[in-house]
Amino acid sequence: GAVVSQHPSRVICKSGTSVKIECRSLDFQATTMFWYRQFPKKSLMLMATSNEGSKATYEQGVEKDKFLINHASLTLSTLTVTSAHPEDSSFYICSAREGGEQFFGPGTRLTVL
Amino acid sequence: GIQVEQSPPDLILQEGANSTLRCNFSDSVNNLQWFHQNPWGQLINLFYIPSGTKQNGRLSATTVATERYSLLYISSSQTTDSGVYFCTPYMRFGAGTRLTVKP
Repeated sequence: GAVVSQHPSRVICKSGTSVKIECRSLDFQATTMFWYRQFPKKSLMLMATSNEGSKATYEQGVEKDKFLINHASLTLSTLTVTSAHPEDSSFYICSAREGGEQFFGPGTRLTVL
Repeated sequence: GIQVEQSPPDLILQEGANSTLRCNFSDSVNNLQWFHQNPWGQLINLFYIPSGTKQNGRLSATTVATERYSLLYISSSQTTDSGVYFCTPYMRFGAGTRLTVKP
């Protein structure tokens, strides 16, 4: 199946700093990628849909100024958590779709101190 | 948006047992997948099954789109099957079924 990578896998930062997470489709092109967050022992919540060459579509309740998404190429989408606070600590997972099927990256565990 | 209900929420099995996981969804779909999330958080694709039946080794899945449900069958369960199983119609996740297989 298709492969999606994420970087970094783990990041610890101080409150107030910004953190960038990269999501890459390694062996296919993805015009659309998806960003999720997951709290411990909870399900995945869709945050936004990232569209190559255009603005991302955010789910209701997700602050677009807080979670900046850029999809500059057919293989790369980035999520920047701006001015991170401890409540932003979570597991962030991206996915990309090939055909109708979704493939997920390994996730990024963000801890904000 | 589409609502997803998975049952049971938790399931504990002895190794070798069989199980059926169910996913009900609130609207008709032409896109549904089953995933297994392992203890490290990685989501592993099990089935892309908007309709019909598929089998892969000890696992099989059936989706009846007209009746808005999908089933995942696990036969002869192994400890490595432990984890959380999600169904996702249209990229939306249900709460999942947490499976624990004991040796």
